[in-house]
Order: sequence, then structure tokens, then C-alpha cells
Amino acid sequence: QQQVRQSPQSLTVWEGETAILNCSYEDSTFDYFPWYWQFPRESPALLIAIRPVSNKKEDGRFTIFFNKREKKLSLHITDSQPGDSATYFCAASGGNYAQGLTFGLGTRVSVFP
Amino acid sequence: DTTVKQNPRYKLARVGKPVNLICSQTMNHDTMYWYQKKPNQAPKLLLFYYDKILNREADTFEKFQSSRPNNSFCSLYIGSAGLEYSAMYLCASSRDGDSYAEQFFGPGTRLTVL
Repeated sequence: QQQVRQSPQSLTVWEGETAILNCSYEDSTFDYFPWYWQFPRESPALLIAIRPVSNKKEDGRFTIFFNKREKKLSLHITDSQPGDSATYFCAASGGNYAQGLTFGLGTRVSVFP
Repeated sequence: DTTVKQNPRYKLARVGKPVNLICSQTMNHDTMYWYQKKPNQAPKLLLFYYDKILNREADTFEKFQSSRPNNSFCSLYIGSAGLEYSAMYLCASSRDGDSYAEQFFGPGTRLTVL
């Protein structure tokens, strides 16, 4: 059973539009939700992360909206640029000790000019 | 330098033969992780070292071994490769021993078992 689910599997938007990526999770002990992005032939890299103490985290054109009650979060990419074309992974972990991340399947975003 | 290095980048192995993958980082990170990524699947945590302490996931406990001879290096060892081990293996490291620390990923080793 997948602990972290992402939708859609792929997403195509035009330059300047807002892309919305969805993520949901099962485990109530998760309390850290990073989003990683991965460009072709590159390593995944941290894009933005949120902890449930807040329901919104913003970094430039990237915003995470978090709903703890529904165990859902979303990543909004405003004013999408062709350079944002990548696979976006929602991940989760919990606890104050070292753990690995539980990843979703990823959403492949394509931004066309 | 936030580079995590992995060797080799590509590995071809025969069924039943051992495989050893290497990861290194020079950031003096406390924790090093190994993930397995198969096509159309999510990256899956296999194991991680916090300092010298090895933690292995329950469902992969017997399939993978690892060693960390010093802070900078970590290996992933498969004693007898099967076809199901064909995957991308990602190494990552993080500075702290808590779950909120950013993980830095290496470029991966693509293992093909024939």
C-alpha cells in the first residue's frame, strides 16, 4: 500500500499558467513533507519543504498548501516556466531522529512556451 | 561542495553474482542513505547509516548489506544478484541525525542484472 500518493501522474501547462500538483499521505506520524524535483539525467534535489506547524510555505513561485485534517498537500507553481519542466516528488518523514524519506511516484510536469 | 558521488554510474551483473556499489560525500554528513528506484515506481528506502549505526528496512533486511568504513564512504552490497535487483540505486546524505535535514542525492548507479 502506497503511503504517499501523488496526482496527476503527468501534467502539461503553458508558460505563465499555474501548475497544481497533489499529494496525500496515510501515516499520521509524518510531520515533514519535502518536495524534490528531478531534471532529466540529474539527481533529485530539494525544492521546498513544509512542516505541519504551518499550512502554507512559499518560496518564490513555488507554494505548498497543507491540510493536516485531510492529510493532503499540494504544490502550486505560479507563472510556470519551461525551465520548471521536471519530475516532482512529494516525500514524507516523521520523528526527530534520522529516517529515510517515503516518496510518492512523482508527477512529470511539462511546461510549453 | 554539496556533491554526493556514486561509482560506478552503470553496472552490469550476472544473476547469482555479487554486486558492490560505492557512495561518497565530503560534506561530513552524519547520515547516508540508499534508495532503490525502478521504472514507474517511487524511490524506496533500503537502508541508512546514522554515524556507524546501520538501519535496514524490514522488507529488504536480508537482501542488502552495507558498510561505512568512515564518515565519507558507504557501500551497498548484494550477495547474489537476481533479475529483480535491476534498478537505479540512489545514495543520499544529510547533515543531521533528524528527519528534517535536507538529503542530498548522488547521480545514481544503474544496475542491470542479466
